Amino acid sequence: DAKTTQPPSMDCAEGRAANLPCNHSTISGNEYVYWYRQIHSQGPQYIIHGLKNNETNEMASLIITEDRKSSTLILPHATLRDTAVYYCIAVKAAGNKLTFGGGTRVLVKP
Amino acid sequence: EPEVTQTPSHQVTQMGQEVILRCVPISNHLYFYWYRQILGQKVEFLVSFYNNEISEKSEIFDDQFSVERPDGSNFTLKIRSTKLEDSAMYFCASSVQSSYNEQFFGPGTRLTVL
Repeated sequence: DAKTTQPPSMDCAEGRAANLPCNHSTISGNEYVYWYRQIHSQGPQYIIHGLKNNETNEMASLIITEDRKSSTLILPHATLRDTAVYYCIAVKAAGNKLTFGGGTRVLVKP
Repeated sequence: EPEVTQTPSHQVTQMGQEVILRCVPISNHLYFYWYRQILGQKVEFLVSFYNNEISEKSEIFDDQFSVERPDGSNFTLKIRSTKLEDSAMYFCASSVQSSYNEQFFGPGTRLTVL
């Protein structure tokens, strides 16, 4: 699976959009970009995934660059409950193992 | 909303003892996983399980570890002879299918080996 690189931490103001970058410059054509988050010590929670098109669901939007070397997770209106560690993971289409990196620790401030 | 459940929430054991961690995956899911997270470290993949056999395992998952689906609902992780370094949060996860699909994680079992 391709290595992903994320900033270790970032702050966000409550009610504002949070834009979380992820670099995956070595991603291969059959690898999807998945985003999970972990609130405190709870089990990781799926957010969204995509291959090359932008995706949106009730939690977030995922913007993938045309060359697929990077992506951005957007939380449109961050709340205090969005404080968590966010993980960007590249997963092979036929694979089922998630390889977690260090993620980005997001702190949403009032 | 269906969820993955795990028991116990916290297990304390003596070094060398056997422990069994239990998970009830979401009922229509076919793929099952165990991950662990040592305090302050990354979440690490241990094993994936499908159709009553292991489909993939990591280097961590050595002969001291085993998994089993003893009935139609439970999925267990057994550690035969625990070591101090096995102390961690253990997360069970399940998914409907193996690829293009989200994994649903349980709340975890905190294992403390003394």
